[in-house]
Amino acid sequence: DAKTTQPPSMDCAEGRAANLPCNHSTISGNEYVYWYRQIHSQGPQYIIHGLKNNETNEMASLIITEDRKSSTLILPHATLRDTAVYYCIVRVRAGNQFYFGTGTSLTVIP
Amino acid sequence: GAGVSQSPSNKVTEKGKDVELRCDPISGHTALYWYRQSLGQGLEFLIYFQGNSAPDKSGLPSDRFSAERTGGSVSTLTIQRTQQEDSAVYLCASSTEQGGTDTQYFGPGTRLTVL
Repeated sequence: DAKTTQPPSMDCAEGRAANLPCNHSTISGNEYVYWYRQIHSQGPQYIIHGLKNNETNEMASLIITEDRKSSTLILPHATLRDTAVYYCIVRVRAGNQFYFGTGTSLTVIP
Repeated sequence: GAGVSQSPSNKVTEKGKDVELRCDPISGHTALYWYRQSLGQGLEFLIYFQGNSAPDKSGLPSDRFSAERTGGSVSTLTIQRTQQEDSAVYLCASSTEQGGTDTQYFGPGTRLTVL
């Protein structure tokens, strides 16, 4: 049970912002939203995480709705190297497992 | 500093053979996780180690799978009597703490092919 829903694929023009949505309507009050990405044939790479407030780091921004039932990962200026599968994860407390689901395959187009 | 390393990067074996996959976590990370990823699929949790606590083995798919972590550092995932359905990329991750907002850092994975 991944607890998240993401579109299977998206395209984005190079240099434009990529906005990747995620639904997590059953999220609990103390569960965080994590985003990872996986470039072909590599291990997943941490991007960002948040609880309630919007977050920004050098890679991306994370916008979480007030009811916390959905979030959006924003890559402000997508490059070809951002082509990857992006996973939105709600962290389940018990067992410290990360349920990755199937993610969104983002293709950045030149 | 050094990230999570895994060896071998690729392993081809024959059905019925045993295999051992190794993970070296980031130094100082107390938590260690094993996942596997079949072709075109998401990650499947296998097992979790945290410090000296008993491991969470809830994700192991059968008793042919086992893992140990020696000295709180290096971990070995062992698959006995391998089957073709065991073919996948096996990923290891480590993190600094239990609970809260710990972030998992992943190794490059071991690609296992069972012929």
